[in-house]
Amino acid sequence: GIQVEQSPPDLILQEGANSTLRCNFSDSVNNLQWFHQNPWGQLINLFYIPSGTKQNGRLSATTVATERYSLLYISSSQTTDSGVYFCAVEGGGTSYGKLTFGQGTILTVHP
Amino acid sequence: ETGVTQTPRHLVMGMTNKKSLKCEQHLGHNAMYWYKQSAKKPLELMFVYSLEERVENNSVPSRFSPECPNSSHLFLHLHTLQPEDSALYLCASSQVTTGLEETQYFGPGTRLLVL
Repeated sequence: GIQVEQSPPDLILQEGANSTLRCNFSDSVNNLQWFHQNPWGQLINLFYIPSGTKQNGRLSATTVATERYSLLYISSSQTTDSGVYFCAVEGGGTSYGKLTFGQGTILTVHP
Repeated sequence: ETGVTQTPRHLVMGMTNKKSLKCEQHLGHNAMYWYKQSAKKPLELMFVYSLEERVENNSVPSRFSPECPNSSHLFLHLHTLQPEDSALYLCASSQVTTGLEETQYFGPGTRLLVL
C-alpha cells in the first residue's frame, strides 16, 4: 500500500515563529488532507489539497503531486497551534476515501 | 447537533464484556469510517462503509463487528476484547463523489480502556 512519511517528528517553537511541516508519499494520490489533532484527541480538517496551494489565515499548504510531497506552513505560531499534525492520503486506485495516515508531527509552541 | 458525534466519549470494559460504540453524522454524507489510534502509532483504518455497504475491512479481528444501519449511523460492536485493544476509536464521514472534494470529518472519539 501507499507509504506516508512526515517530518520532522517533533518540533518546538517560540510563539511568533514560522515553521514548515513536510509530508512525503510513495505513489500518486487523489486525496490528500492535513489535520490538526488537539490535546483532547479531536481531529480538525485544515486542508483538502491533492494538488496546488491553499491558504487559510496563518496556515497555508502546497502539494506538488508530481514530486509526491506536500508542505504545511504555519506562520506567526501561537500556543493554540500546539498538537499533532497529520498528513493523510488516498492512493489513486481507490475511490471511497481510504486514507492512509502518516506518523504525525508533534508541535509544541511555547509562550 | 452538527458534524460527527460519538458516544460514549470514554469507556472502561472488562475482557468478557460486550459493548457498542455509536457514531452519528449530521452532514448528509454517504460514507462512514472507523479508525483506531493507539499510543505512538498512526491512525489505522478499520472499516469503511460507502452507501451503507462495507467496502473495506482492514484485517480487523472478529471481536470488532461494525454495523451501518443507514447512512447517518455507524456502530462498532465490541466483545471479548484484549488489553491491547485499548485505544482512541475515531469515526469519520465524507461525501464520496467522483471529481468532488472528499474531505473526511472526524468525531471526537471514544477512549476505550480494556482491563
